[in-house]
Amino acid sequence: QKEVEQNSGPLSVPEGAIASLNCTYSDRGSQSFFWYRQYSGKSPELIMSIYSNGDKEDGRFTAQLNKASQYVSLLIRDSQPSDSATYLCAVRLYNFNKFYFGSGTKLNVKP
Amino acid sequence: GAGVSQSPSNKVTEKGKDVELRCDPISGHTALYWYRQSLGQGLEFLIYFQGNSAPDKSGLPSDRFSAERTGGSVSTLTIQRTQQEDSAVYLCASSLAGARANTEAFFGQGTRLTVV
Repeated sequence: QKEVEQNSGPLSVPEGAIASLNCTYSDRGSQSFFWYRQYSGKSPELIMSIYSNGDKEDGRFTAQLNKASQYVSLLIRDSQPSDSATYLCAVRLYNFNKFYFGSGTKLNVKP
Repeated sequence: GAGVSQSPSNKVTEKGKDVELRCDPISGHTALYWYRQSLGQGLEFLIYFQGNSAPDKSGLPSDRFSAERTGGSVSTLTIQRTQQEDSAVYLCASSLAGARANTEAFFGQGTRLTVV
């Protein structure tokens, strides 16, 4: 069983719509949760981190964490073609510094 | 420096040769990670350094792979007797240390290794 699971996609949404990306994790000891964006041929770029249950908003991005259900999601409002990328979910276990990454969800935002 | 710096950006080597990849983490970050990403695949953990502690080498795929971190800063990943399956992008990341929750990891631009 993988530590972090993501649907590989591709997820296609029209420009201006809300894109919803989901991630589940297996270890209840997971403490910190991160979303990275990776453009083709580039390295991952951190876009959101969340540590407590609930929602965290940053501009057009909202991260949602539900530890009881062991899932974390990323909502992108008013999606733009420039949001087209692969989104990686990562978790870190309490007291361990190793980050576990999902395989990523490819998002296509169509003009 | 301002960000994680990796060198070289690209490396083409002949099968059987040794290569060294370098990573210079963000100043003050005592945790350093190496990941590998094959074309179209996710990130594969290789090794993790935390300060002066023994590194977590659990992700190294074979004994041809080794890494060191000198002075708690710059790290070198060495691949001996390279094989074609070693072709991938090698990513380095660094973060603040400790058990604090808010230790975000930041990546360098990667080294694209091609073994011919």
